[in-house]
Amino acid sequence: EIVLTQSPGTLSLSPGERVSLSCRASQSGIGSNLAWYQQKPVQAPRLLIYGASSRATGIPERFSGSGSGTDFTLTISRLEPEDLAVYYCQQYGSSPITFGPGTKVDIK
Amino acid sequence: EVQLVESGGTLVQPGGSLRLSCAASGFTFSSFWMHWVRQTPGKGLVYVSGMNSDGSQTRYADSAKGRFTISRDNTKNTLYLQMNSLRVEDTAVYYCASQVALGYWGQGTLVTVSS
Repeated sequence: EIVLTQSPGTLSLSPGERVSLSCRASQSGIGSNLAWYQQKPVQAPRLLIYGASSRATGIPERFSGSGSGTDFTLTISRLEPEDLAVYYCQQYGSSPITFGPGTKVDIK
Repeated sequence: EVQLVESGGTLVQPGGSLRLSCAASGFTFSSFWMHWVRQTPGKGLVYVSGMNSDGSQTRYADSAKGRFTISRDNTKNTLYLQMNSLRVEDTAVYYCASQVALGYWGQGTLVTVSS
């Protein structure tokens, strides 16, 4: 089973700042089969990025994904107050599908 | 409008059984992999099980193997999860989700396993 590690665990930033969230896989073999989700309190997860770098339908351009192999990054170019959420990465290139533990983004 | 509506969650005793359903609409359900993901309140997302479009392939997390069975009825656009030998640690919100790139998720159904 591929284990995903996300860092940092929590971060607190001001609106307008640039945010970079990391997701590292325990082994190679997932290719670009890496997705990012945003989950706000009491809501279902929302797909942001799939295929490591493809933005899902309706997702603002300030969200972007990059990386390959074992190291992946979600970048929010300019943080908005509504981006307060937990962000999860998910690999779907190796069975079983696994999720990272999440990064909580707080807005100062 | 795409909708995934889960149902069947309730309070059940340890050792009991439950069947969850996920009714899909607004997309071609029969063409895509479908999955179950769960989340213990306040915790992270955990993959449970998945099935391919025609039901010929399944995937299970280790925690679900031998106890849970995923199935689908493409004539009814519905995904199921039969859960047997339930444990306290199976308590969670269970989400139905589409093939990853589609990004469709339901709102979840709460399963509580407690005596």
